[in-house]
Amino acid sequence: AQSVTQLDSQVPVFEEAPVELRCNYSSSVSVYLFWYVQYPNQGLQLLLKYLSGSTLVKGINGFEAEFNKSQTSFHLRKPSVHISDTAEYFCAVTANNDMRFGAGTRLTVKP
Amino acid sequence: GAGVSQTPSNKVTEKGKYVELRCDPISGHTALYWYRQSLGQGPEFLIYFQGTGAADDSGLPNDRFFAVRPEGSVSTLKIQRTERGDSAVYLCASSSRGGTEAFFGQGTRLTVV
Repeated sequence: AQSVTQLDSQVPVFEEAPVELRCNYSSSVSVYLFWYVQYPNQGLQLLLKYLSGSTLVKGINGFEAEFNKSQTSFHLRKPSVHISDTAEYFCAVTANNDMRFGAGTRLTVKP
Repeated sequence: GAGVSQTPSNKVTEKGKYVELRCDPISGHTALYWYRQSLGQGPEFLIYFQGTGAADDSGLPNDRFFAVRPEGSVSTLKIQRTERGDSAVYLCASSSRGGTEAFFGQGTRLTVV
């Protein structure tokens, strides 16, 4: 089955700084890629997804991600973070309707 | 309702007891997934149904865990002889056939004391 590796378990940043959360995947077949966000004591919310076409996808809350097939990566970026972006972020990959998640990256935005 | 519904939202049980967790997927969704999320961890895949059959149950940790979806809609995750290590949030998600996005329920928080 496919798998996902999120390279950073925790990312602390200051407010208004840019951030990148890294995600690499492995799969023997073509995949769809997703980023989910989980705020404290809440469920998973879809941020953005890559299905096909343009490799740069834009999501909610000013986030974007770039699919790089040669590097099997799908890194999440935001040019300027807010305190309210503090949350857990999960990268996920789907192949043949089978979805697997990474371990998550805790983004902490400090004032 | 329009979303994935999981019941109960919270369950406290004693070690050794049997529990059932229920998931009502979005109407018409053929794919249904169960995940387990422990504190500070990502969702861990347990089992995936396509229709009534388990397409992949490789994530079930041992034979105390079992899941069914007899009519291809509602699914029940069953845990026998619960252990304290089973304490986690159990997430259910569904997607349509050929769909590109899985929709998640709010989860059931299971606490084994």
